[in-house]
Amino acid sequence: GAGVSQSPRYKVTKRGQDVTLRCDPISSHATLYWYQQALGQGPEFLTYFNYEAQPDKSGLPSDRFSAERPEGSISTLTIQRTEQRDSAMYRCASSLTAWGEKLFFGSGTQLSVL
Amino acid sequence: AQSVTQLGSHVSVSEGALVLLRCNYSSSVPPYLFWYVQYPNQGLQLLLKYTSAATLVKGINGFEAEFKKSETSFHLTKPSAHMSDAAEYFCAVGRGSNYKLTFGKGTLLTVNP
Repeated sequence: GAGVSQSPRYKVTKRGQDVTLRCDPISSHATLYWYQQALGQGPEFLTYFNYEAQPDKSGLPSDRFSAERPEGSISTLTIQRTEQRDSAMYRCASSLTAWGEKLFFGSGTQLSVL
Repeated sequence: AQSVTQLGSHVSVSEGALVLLRCNYSSSVPPYLFWYVQYPNQGLQLLLKYTSAATLVKGINGFEAEFKKSETSFHLTKPSAHMSDAAEYFCAVGRGSNYKLTFGKGTLLTVNP
């Protein structure tokens, strides 16, 4: 696509429910990133993909968080058994490669866990 | 380890005045440094980046930043603010690549008529 697309734009869920967030990167981009941004904070790295490989998932806060990119394009971020502390803006970005080119960010998914 | 400190969570300037947004970094290796801007309801957009070439980096929309190793700073400036510059600005540091950027908390810039 022309830009990075994220859906849904807003997600409200109850504590304990599972949620899945979706990211559709720019079609020519090999690298895709997930960031979490809490209110009043800057984005924090969660994980990234080079095509379908996931070389680094060190930023995922717990094993309730997982991400995949099975065909090297669209990616999903799943949070199981959501907790109130998971409430944040989840940002996806993509770049041509992981080295030096700029990141293109989507508009984000605002997750609220009640 | 790397970190970024943005001084001032909110900066207010008059239209036509100088814009100065401060960023100090900490990095154990030569850093890549970035400034991103976020307009309401949009994703972050790259303003400019420093990757060990010229220390004075020019970006889009008339912004520029100067890398000062001795001060571990990468402050963002613009000589004359426009109303359209009102946004949130994030400084970020990377270790030679795009991924795993460490962002500051952001500075909200308000431009008054």
